[in-house]
Amino acid sequence: KQEVTQIPAALSVPEGENLVLNCSFTDSAIYNLQWFRQDPGKGLTSLLLIQSSQREQTSGRLNASLDKSSGRSTLYIAASQPGDSATYLCAVRHNNDMRFGAGTRLTVKP
Amino acid sequence: ETGVTQSPTHLIKTRGQQVTLRCSSQSGHNTVSWYQQALGQGPQFIFQYYREEENGRGNFPPRFSGLQFPNYSSELNVNALELDDSALYLCASSLQRLAGELYEQFFGPGTRLTVL
Repeated sequence: KQEVTQIPAALSVPEGENLVLNCSFTDSAIYNLQWFRQDPGKGLTSLLLIQSSQREQTSGRLNASLDKSSGRSTLYIAASQPGDSATYLCAVRHNNDMRFGAGTRLTVKP
Repeated sequence: ETGVTQSPTHLIKTRGQQVTLRCSSQSGHNTVSWYQQALGQGPQFIFQYYREEENGRGNFPPRFSGLQFPNYSSELNVNALELDDSALYLCASSLQRLAGELYEQFFGPGTRLTVL
């Protein structure tokens, strides 16, 4: 059974810092991995999608990497801003099932 | 291009009642998935519909059922509501061109269900 874990559960940083969020999964037979952002009480906004054959994806200040063999992904956020404050979720796709981690709650202080 | 929409935004029901939640897929998408997200947790996969057929299901009892319509909109029905069914219900749509190919999912804003 696929288990997805995100560390840390919560993170608070000053504005301008670079930071890394971690995601690990137990079954490396995934189709893709997706990172999402969720604001309180809202739906999910897709940030980056990495197919199983890819190693990384970049969008603006965000960079996500994938190491399938070790069951790990990282989301790197450069030059963090207060507007980046949200919960970040990673999810792995296998067949028609998508498994999510519990998320990392990020607070960026001005 | 219209994104994924869900209705209603909030709903309050009592234990034992039945509820129907609705989702309109993003234009051009043929696959819809439903998720349950309890407070402080990640979403849990309920089931997925592709071309009006259920083609994947998570660990949810049969009282959770769904439909997908020819226009690819979808309903989630929950019978005999329990207190633990209180959660944010999310639907997501995607375009699946070939069997076994899985594309990026786009999520709606969710329906907040409270069971008293």
